Amino acid sequence: DTEVTQTPKHLVMGMTNKKSLKCEQHMGHRAMYWYKQKAKKPPELMFVYSYEKLSINESVPSRFSPECPNSSLLNLHLHALQPEDSALYLCASSQSQDVKYFGPGTRLLVL
Amino acid sequence: GENVEQHPSTLSVQEGDSAVIKCTYSDSASNYFPWYKQELGKRPQLIIDIRSNVGEKKDQRIAVTLNKTAKHFSLHITETQPEDSAVYFCAAKGPNFGNEKLTFGTGTRLTIIP
Repeated sequence: DTEVTQTPKHLVMGMTNKKSLKCEQHMGHRAMYWYKQKAKKPPELMFVYSYEKLSINESVPSRFSPECPNSSLLNLHLHALQPEDSALYLCASSQSQDVKYFGPGTRLLVL
Repeated sequence: GENVEQHPSTLSVQEGDSAVIKCTYSDSASNYFPWYKQELGKRPQLIIDIRSNVGEKKDQRIAVTLNKTAKHFSLHITETQPEDSAVYFCAAKGPNFGNEKLTFGTGTRLTIIP
């Protein structure tokens, strides 16, 4: 399996909802990432997990809460989001510090 | 921190011609430079990368060159085809252990004209 998978593909949520994004990889990669991408912009790093431990938090608001239950799974819990949080949320993984493989993303709309 | 500039922001090329996209970076310690292709509504896909101990790398119609002295690197696509139309992002990463952050350029929208 050479892919990173993400669910759901699309998500619409209200500002009072709680939802979770899920990411999975079975390549044995040691690092997993969450990126946020707005339209016509490059991906922006949010969080990095290395060996299942949070190693980088790019000053992301607390309404985004990452979780790494095991080496293959990465979740992003969402609560009380704002309309400006609407974006494509990309998960990625890598074995080395360099090459990163992206998942297909979850397109999130906050109403 | 690292800053990556990418030019041009849009590029239109006749099918069969070559396309060149250029990036400059600010941190001389950066040692890994990937290029990603992102089609509309799709994920960024790694198409080629280069490390600082190499000056040029080629994979079929795609090549990347790196000039460490000038701190710039370029993507070259030859014999362009309609399926090359996409947004291309360059990126740079530093060498420090635990430094996982890729700094991306702002992207180039490449359109291949049939």
